[in-house]
Amino acid sequence: EVRLVESGGGLVHPGGSQRLSCAVSGFTFSDYAMTWVRQVPGKGLEWVSSITGSGSSTFYADSVDGRFTISRDNSKNTLYLQMNSLRAEDTAIYYCAKDLTYVLTGFDSWGQGTLVTVSS
Amino acid sequence: IQMTQSPSSLSASVGDRVTITCRASHGISNYLVWYQQKPGKVPKLLIYAASTLQSGVPSRFSGSGSGTDFTLTISSLQPEDVATYYCQKYDSAPLTFGGGTKVEIK
Repeated sequence: EVRLVESGGGLVHPGGSQRLSCAVSGFTFSDYAMTWVRQVPGKGLEWVSSITGSGSSTFYADSVDGRFTISRDNSKNTLYLQMNSLRAEDTAIYYCAKDLTYVLTGFDSWGQGTLVTVSS
Repeated sequence: IQMTQSPSSLSASVGDRVTITCRASHGISNYLVWYQQKPGKVPKLLIYAASTLQSGVPSRFSGSGSGTDFTLTISSLQPEDVATYYCQKYDSAPLTFGGGTKVEIK
């Protein structure tokens, strides 16, 4: 069974940093690209960042480029999102998602999400 | 890069045929997926490559289109289909989502 479990959310002050983790199981992690998607409660989905299976290529939404860094540790079956210079508009539920293939595609498995609140 | 869905919401009767459209601001070939998100749940992949049904998804769901114009069709709406539906492109980053279409039962 494929499982994705996010952690690391919480309350952070504007300008602060937070690191999210996503521990996965049930599939060969290095065979798949992985992605972070966020959603303000009650609003739509926003793609944040993706990383290929090997970790050699990363991609970012303009809204987070230069502030967020996606990475993965294939030996630990874990995906990360380092978020710096956080803003109020980064407040959202952050989901990690497994891509269909090694490269960027759609997402066939999702975690339950972790809430990040940026507020003073 | 914009993905525009219409309508933003709709109300239909059980058994009705429901159509949701998604328009890309530039051609994306068939690099499009559709998701269903039920209230309080995480999104579920319905269709990829514009028209390929994901395993386990009921056959009343279908997708079509290529280039800039795409359609998700529910051939006979069921009560369990109440949800918000999103399209998303994946031809290249950014992997933009559409704004969503909320489907309700009349």
